[in-house]
Amino acid sequence: QSALTQPASVSGSPGQSITISCTGTSSDVGGYNYVSWYQQHPGKAPKLMIYDVSNRPSGVSNRFSGSKSGNTASLTISGLQAEDEADYYCSSYTSSSRGVFGGGTKLTVL
Amino acid sequence: EVQLVESGGGLVQPGGSLRLSCAASGFTFSSYAMSWVRQAPGKGLEWVSAISVSAGSTYYADSVKGRFTISRDNSKNTLYLQMNSLRAEDTAVYYCAKDVYSSALYYMDVWGKGTTVTVSS
Repeated sequence: QSALTQPASVSGSPGQSITISCTGTSSDVGGYNYVSWYQQHPGKAPKLMIYDVSNRPSGVSNRFSGSKSGNTASLTISGLQAEDEADYYCSSYTSSSRGVFGGGTKLTVL
Repeated sequence: EVQLVESGGGLVQPGGSLRLSCAASGFTFSSYAMSWVRQAPGKGLEWVSAISVSAGSTYYADSVKGRFTISRDNSKNTLYLQMNSLRAEDTAVYYCAKDVYSSALYYMDVWGKGTTVTVSS
């Protein structure tokens, strides 16, 4: 049950778009369309941003989008805003019916 | 208001035990899978355990299997995590979280604020 692989950090300027990758295996990301993404601001609980690879919960901005190709899922944030600066985590269902998170990516808005 | 409130954290010696509770309100608790997720100081999220709606199925991370037990009481709208044989590496903020669906697909749309567990002598 290894953690999914994410870049430690990404950055972008306001208005730009960034993409965060999340690489797993055929036993998790690649085997199921059960990938989700979470945003976490310092000292706060995580917030669900994307589920079912690309669906947004009610209330989440359409600037956030998700996709998947093979064993890699991606989160794209377009029109970067200062409030998007946070840690982002991917998560996947696994073949053992357990969950697994990525190591997390720190997004800096320059 | 949909809400999860964890309790039961604290300081415990290595080898000791703690029982965490998570009180749910504002939604039909018995209709959703539930999970515990933890976050060690300065570290990322780690999924710990999940339980099905009827408690018929439970799942554990390898790091806690055999030491932690998840349970739920749907009549009390409460989720539990019994933690035994605690180790220093179990030190973390423990969050309970509600799944979007009745099955544990790990789409956690409601989170508590967390309770802190510190394992130290």
